[in-house]
Amino acid sequence: DTAVSQTPKYLVTQMGNDKSIKCEQNLGHDTMYWYKQDSKKFLKIMFSYNNKELIINETVPNRFSPKSPDKAHLNLHINSLELGDSAVYFCASSQTGDRGYTFGSGTRLTVV
Amino acid sequence: QKEVEQNSGPLSVPEGAIASLNCTYSDRGSQSFFWYRQYSGKSPELIMSIYSNGDKEDGRFTAQLNKASQYVSLLIRDSQPSDSATYLCAVVIQGAQKLVFGQGTRLTINP
Repeated sequence: DTAVSQTPKYLVTQMGNDKSIKCEQNLGHDTMYWYKQDSKKFLKIMFSYNNKELIINETVPNRFSPKSPDKAHLNLHINSLELGDSAVYFCASSQTGDRGYTFGSGTRLTVV
Repeated sequence: QKEVEQNSGPLSVPEGAIASLNCTYSDRGSQSFFWYRQYSGKSPELIMSIYSNGDKEDGRFTAQLNKASQYVSLLIRDSQPSDSATYLCAVVIQGAQKLVFGQGTRLTINP
């Protein structure tokens, strides 16, 4: 069974479009995250949610809006996509007090 | 100053030798430190965690932590070609409750 699953795995879209990425974890973790990995492979945190509550909101354009319907799901919606949004987006989860993060397989977003 | 810094490499090591990867961090209050391995096109995979000063060994991997020097390292003994990957150092920033990564070191093990 996949612990942290993301869909879709690949996403190619035109500038200006709106797209969503979905993430689900079956580990029973209470905290979920979105990370962005750019072309230089640098992994940077974007958001984190603990039990559906937004905990971290890094300096991310407000075109990016996370939504957590329950503690097992964290989705990322992106409006008005720009070329610079092209990256790999990773979802991750962890349990408070257990300090390791488990990552999903990533979504490679390409904006053309 | 970056929160977590690594030498981006590439680091090239002959098969069977010891690979040494280094990382420094800026937050003196940090208590949790991790090493992740990432193969090309794959997600980061946790390989080591360390929370106390000193060494922690797991198979061919040894993590070393020196909080006074704000320094973390990873040693890979008897390096294998399958160890070729990017190694990411990550530190939990206290108070901010976030895991911050270094830029990664690309390691190549030459047969």
